[in-house]
Amino acid sequence: SQTIHQWPATLVQPVGSPLSLECTVEGTSNPNLYWYRQAAGRGLQLLFYSVGIGQISSEVPQNLSASRPQDRQFILSSKKLLLSDSGFYLCAWSQSRAGHGYTFGSGTRLTVV
Amino acid sequence: AQSVSQHNHHVILSEAASLELGCNYSYGGTVNLFWYVQYPGQHLQLLLKYFSGDPLVKGIKGFEAEFIKSKFSFNLRKPSVQWSDTAEYFCAATGDSSYKLIFGSGTRLLVRP
Repeated sequence: SQTIHQWPATLVQPVGSPLSLECTVEGTSNPNLYWYRQAAGRGLQLLFYSVGIGQISSEVPQNLSASRPQDRQFILSSKKLLLSDSGFYLCAWSQSRAGHGYTFGSGTRLTVV
Repeated sequence: AQSVSQHNHHVILSEAASLELGCNYSYGGTVNLFWYVQYPGQHLQLLLKYFSGDPLVKGIKGFEAEFIKSKFSFNLRKPSVQWSDTAEYFCAATGDSSYKLIFGSGTRLLVRP
């Protein structure tokens, strides 16, 4: 069966420090991968998605970037964190176009101090 | 632009009360609709989904939703809620040819025992 792993679960980082959040999927090949940010009262905002290795689409301009170095690995990064980067970050995957829904990871709570 | 609206941000009910959470979407073309639930401290889970066919969709844990195309709505219902239904509920939409799953802002449901 397919599983999605996301870590760390919580992270407290100072302003200006770098960030790297990792997401991996097991039990499938060539998944579509997604990074979302969940902010209180604002639902889930799609940040990036990837349909293949090295292919990244950005949905919103921001202080973050994403990379997909391997088929089932998706990384969310920042060179210098801002206070406004605090939030709950969710990774998700789908086997085909989004019409069949996503499976979500357990999320990372990021607090920038 | 594609969007999903959930008008009830916070709902408080007593056990055994009936539930209806509103969801309206703005989406050109064929739309696929979803309800996700996030229980405290847990992953986002799929409650139910609509692709085509019978507009009344039944999901897990006694939930159902009705797709009303003329009203651009996909409201979630449950005849009798339980304390364990306390969670945040998200409506989401996408099209058949889209990679993007667009979420509403979520509704926090508190069920009092």
